[in-house]
Amino acid sequence: DAGVIQSPRHEVTEMGQEVTLRCKPISGHDYLFWYRQTMMRGLELLIYFNNNVPIDDSGMPEDRFSAKMPNASFSTLKIQPSEPRDSAVYFCASSTQDEKLFFGSGTQLSVL
Amino acid sequence: AQSVTQLGSHVSVSEGALVLLRCNYSSSVPPYLFWYVQYPNQGLQLLLKYTTGATLVKGINGFEAEFKKSETSFHLTKPSAHMSDAAEYFCAVSGTYKYIFGTGTRLKVLA
Repeated sequence: DAGVIQSPRHEVTEMGQEVTLRCKPISGHDYLFWYRQTMMRGLELLIYFNNNVPIDDSGMPEDRFSAKMPNASFSTLKIQPSEPRDSAVYFCASSTQDEKLFFGSGTQLSVL
Repeated sequence: AQSVTQLGSHVSVSEGALVLLRCNYSSSVPPYLFWYVQYPNQGLQLLLKYTTGATLVKGINGFEAEFKKSETSFHLTKPSAHMSDAAEYFCAVSGTYKYIFGTGTRLKVLA
């Protein structure tokens, strides 16, 4: 299996622009998670889905952030408009009911 | 509410020495406990998981962790450090799919 695939690997954008991060979970995994990692705040859970349905989005920082999972093999995290404080590494992870998370390699986002 | 505390943000050991990374948790329900490792510019990888049963959990790469309910601890150990163990290690608690990660411990292995 190819593992969890995230794209792009790096994203540099200017403040105010829309950013879309993409994730393909491991086939057969019915849970998908979006995390953000920063030096100051560590790893933060933004949102997670079960069977493509958002279960808990209480970690989404603001209305500027949105996430979708149109099918079992694809999810997006969108930031619109982006701000410099959104700069971080964004990870997607997937799991089955055993809660063992498999992480992607992350997207390094820099908002200038 | 659940929480995790990792003691020591940086730990240095000599190659061949014992590795001990400390983790204490708080949970109002029987927890699922995990250790993950993160190498530079990579995502986290699962080292081991504790649910119920045997309190000593063996993981990959020679690591193991012991669940001590009385001490609310889940420390990670490895008898002999290798240069390739240099990475950041995260303890986590879960039980409802909402992981709470610790702040991480960066392990440095000295030649």
